[in-house]
Amino acid sequence: SQQGEEDPQALSIQEGENATMNCSYKTSINNLQWYRQNSGRGLVHLILIRSNEREKHSGRLRVTLDTSKKSSSLLITASRAADTASYFCATVDLNDYKLSFGAGTTVTVRA
Amino acid sequence: SAVISQKPSRDICQRGTSLTIQCQVDSQVTMMFWYRQQPGQSLTLIATANQGSEATYESGFVIDKFPISRPNLTFSTLTVSNMSPEDSSIYLCSVDAGGPADTQYFGPGTRLTVL
Repeated sequence: SQQGEEDPQALSIQEGENATMNCSYKTSINNLQWYRQNSGRGLVHLILIRSNEREKHSGRLRVTLDTSKKSSSLLITASRAADTASYFCATVDLNDYKLSFGAGTTVTVRA
Repeated sequence: SAVISQKPSRDICQRGTSLTIQCQVDSQVTMMFWYRQQPGQSLTLIATANQGSEATYESGFVIDKFPISRPNLTFSTLTVSNMSPEDSSIYLCSVDAGGPADTQYFGPGTRLTVL
């Protein structure tokens, strides 16, 4: 079942700009993950942040997690046309193993 | 990381027929998952398939409509039975990366259109 709400639903930016998207969830989590999906194909895992972490970096990606607000953000810096995709947050509840996906943010990077 | 393939990549089917989707992994994995992604929507978990046991279905999904097989640690099938246009979706399989609550690797998906 879905538990994450993501905003914005869609985002259009110029190449080189930063893209920020947010995810909110409802339950207590073990971890939160971000995935990318290109044109309705399979998902690619981007980054995982555990409930006891507040910030994590991977290349041009920066993820934050605020468990008190039950929210996370994904920042893509210096965007490229190849970053055009849908981005989904997914949570894993405590004592569980299943992923619950948010609604997703569609990002379009204009050249 | 695991490499996952799915067959078919896409299909167009007639109402009332059934389609079996195959998912092959290049390494042995404990847990495999099947998801549905309806047009323009997010992913919804259909069921979890462990080798040697019955699949565990999520609320709203039943075995008669979505029978699953898991004959070994590298392969699984999902059948979409007695299809209707509402079953038009992308169906994705995934595997756990190495432990509970860990990341998942996804197959490329099967795009199904039911006429």
